[in-house]
Amino acid sequence: AQRVTQPEKLLSVFKGAPVELKCNYSYSGSPELFWYVQYSRQRLQLLLRHISRESIKGFTADLNKGETSFHLKKPFAQEEDSAMYYCALGSGGYQKVTFGIGTKLQVIP
Amino acid sequence: DAGVIQSPRHEVTEMGQEVTLRCKPISGHDYLFWYRQTMMRGLELLIYFNNNVPIDDSGMPEDRFSAKMPNASFSTLKIQPSEPRDSAVYFCASSPSTSRPEQFFGPGTRLTVL
Repeated sequence: AQRVTQPEKLLSVFKGAPVELKCNYSYSGSPELFWYVQYSRQRLQLLLRHISRESIKGFTADLNKGETSFHLKKPFAQEEDSAMYYCALGSGGYQKVTFGIGTKLQVIP
Repeated sequence: DAGVIQSPRHEVTEMGQEVTLRCKPISGHDYLFWYRQTMMRGLELLIYFNNNVPIDDSGMPEDRFSAKMPNASFSTLKIQPSEPRDSAVYFCASSPSTSRPEQFFGPGTRLTVL
């Protein structure tokens, strides 16, 4: 069975501090990992996917198959980064997506 | 483009009543998904369709839940009879194709069953 674990429900950091949102997964096949974000009063939207290997809004995430992790990182947090972040695992041709429970990031001015 | 459209945005009903949630996916998207979000369990996939055909309904909690997609531009999620534990936010999402698995979410329907 596939599973996504986000150990922190709430992460508070000061503006300008580094951010790391943790995500671990369990899946026997070849994983497709995503990070989705939901800003206040906005829809849930894709932030980045591991296969793209890109940086979006200063965020990056590296797939570590040995540690089965896909942590989201940003070197300097901004107030506008405050949001709910969901790690997600794709299977079944990547269409069937299992979401983690989410981490609320709070950036303190 | 209005994106994925869901209606109603809020629904309050009494236990035992039938509830129907509606979704219009983005035109041209091949896949449609129904999710349920609760504080305890987070975002759970209930069912998804490919080209209007249900592919995986293993997340549907029980027989009280049913979903249909009669055409490419419309889907419903029905709960009959509803129970208080069904109270949650229900999201609909669509995605273009297998090669582009990004999901586009609707605003959600907040369901309260009294």
